[in-house]
Amino acid sequence: EADIYQTPRYLVIGTGKKITLECSQTMGHDKMYWYQQDPGMELHLIHYSYGVNSTEKGDLSSESTVSRIRTEHFPLTLESARPSHTSQYLCASSESGRDTGELFFGEGSRLTVL
Amino acid sequence: GQNIDQPTEMTATEGAIVQINCTYQTSGFNGLFWYQQHAGEAPTFLSYNVLDGLEEKGRFSSFLSRSKGYSYLLLKELQMKDSASYLCAVSDSNYQLIWGAGTKLIIKP
Repeated sequence: EADIYQTPRYLVIGTGKKITLECSQTMGHDKMYWYQQDPGMELHLIHYSYGVNSTEKGDLSSESTVSRIRTEHFPLTLESARPSHTSQYLCASSESGRDTGELFFGEGSRLTVL
Repeated sequence: GQNIDQPTEMTATEGAIVQINCTYQTSGFNGLFWYQQHAGEAPTFLSYNVLDGLEEKGRFSSFLSRSKGYSYLLLKELQMKDSASYLCAVSDSNYQLIWGAGTKLIIKP
């Protein structure tokens, strides 16, 4: 069973607020990812990391930032939330050393910006 | 551009067999994944194909034809709990996953 956790699961906030979505995994995976998914739509990669102090932007333009100070922790921050940020955010990790490995997903953070 | 195509929705009967197709056009190919996603939950891994042919895992099988850019997921002896979205994803030349929008499978008694 995957050991990857996201908090909060649900969040409703007002426009302009700063938020951080937390993601932690206890599997020792070097690779971690943040995806955005709207209902009935495909997953879009917004950020990824291949290890500590490594972060890259994905295909989807995003106003969020990430950090990777510890292997197990990969938080995503929105400095100023807007209604267009309303979506589900999924964190995932995969095994080190494999070019394409199975992704283990957290349960997601559903964000609503009013 | 890169794209993954799969049907938006399918309906099947409990106990029956259903085949969910996926076609892809990507820059490079390093394997194809199928994931299951129940409503409101995270995706979970079902299968991985990198060579042509059929991979069987219990009630679920996945087929790949690289020359045709085609895969299918076959679900046998359908159960109500199989009602979910099924996501097809391809690993491209940079080992990044390109995702389809998913096929919502509805199982009727």
